[in-house]
Amino acid sequence: NAGVTQTPKFRVLKTGQSMTLLCAQDMNHEYMYWYRQDPGMGLRLIHYSVGEGTTAKGEVPDGYNVSRLKKQNFLLGLESAAPSQTSVYFCASSSRALDYEQYFGPGTRLTVT
Amino acid sequence: EDQVTQSPEALRLQEGESSSLNCSYTVSGLRGLFWYRQDPGKGPEFLFTLYSAGEEKEKERLKATLTKKESFLHITAPKPEDSATYLCAVQAGGSARQLTFGSGTQLTVLP
Repeated sequence: NAGVTQTPKFRVLKTGQSMTLLCAQDMNHEYMYWYRQDPGMGLRLIHYSVGEGTTAKGEVPDGYNVSRLKKQNFLLGLESAAPSQTSVYFCASSSRALDYEQYFGPGTRLTVT
Repeated sequence: EDQVTQSPEALRLQEGESSSLNCSYTVSGLRGLFWYRQDPGKGPEFLFTLYSAGEEKEKERLKATLTKKESFLHITAPKPEDSATYLCAVQAGGSARQLTFGSGTQLTVLP
């Protein structure tokens, strides 16, 4: 039981490049989330999903897109990376019944130069 | 707009020296307040849920309490392995899934 896994762990992009972050969970959770964590700002929700094929915007969605084609996977895409997107990205999942008890992945550290 | 403020930003304690971390919040219709622990280089790990003023939860050396405006995380006789960043989050009644996190308190317990 791996819990929540994220790939890659580290990535360096140049401004304007694109990439996709992959999140996978094996707990059969209905809900999945993408957060970014910046120094002094706490975790901020980017997008979330309440089920396969559904997504919704969080607090800071601009510049990101997401897809949830399978229940266990949640992808976060950056179409044209900007230096302001330099951050640590965390994926999380939770059950519908306990949506506040979120299980987090280990994070992806992204640097955009 | 929901807001969560944690203090202090950093706290250094000697092993065995008890203290408290503070989380003050403003939220429209609190559904719940949550404490998470985050170790360096890892994702946050869920600790406690508090729903109403006066409620308390305990786990080993940690005890969380809640009032109408703030929550405290009391650490009794801490050990070096308690060193971590402690995050507080709130969930408002209207946003069933979104948590608003504070920026955390980085706790260091020295042996």
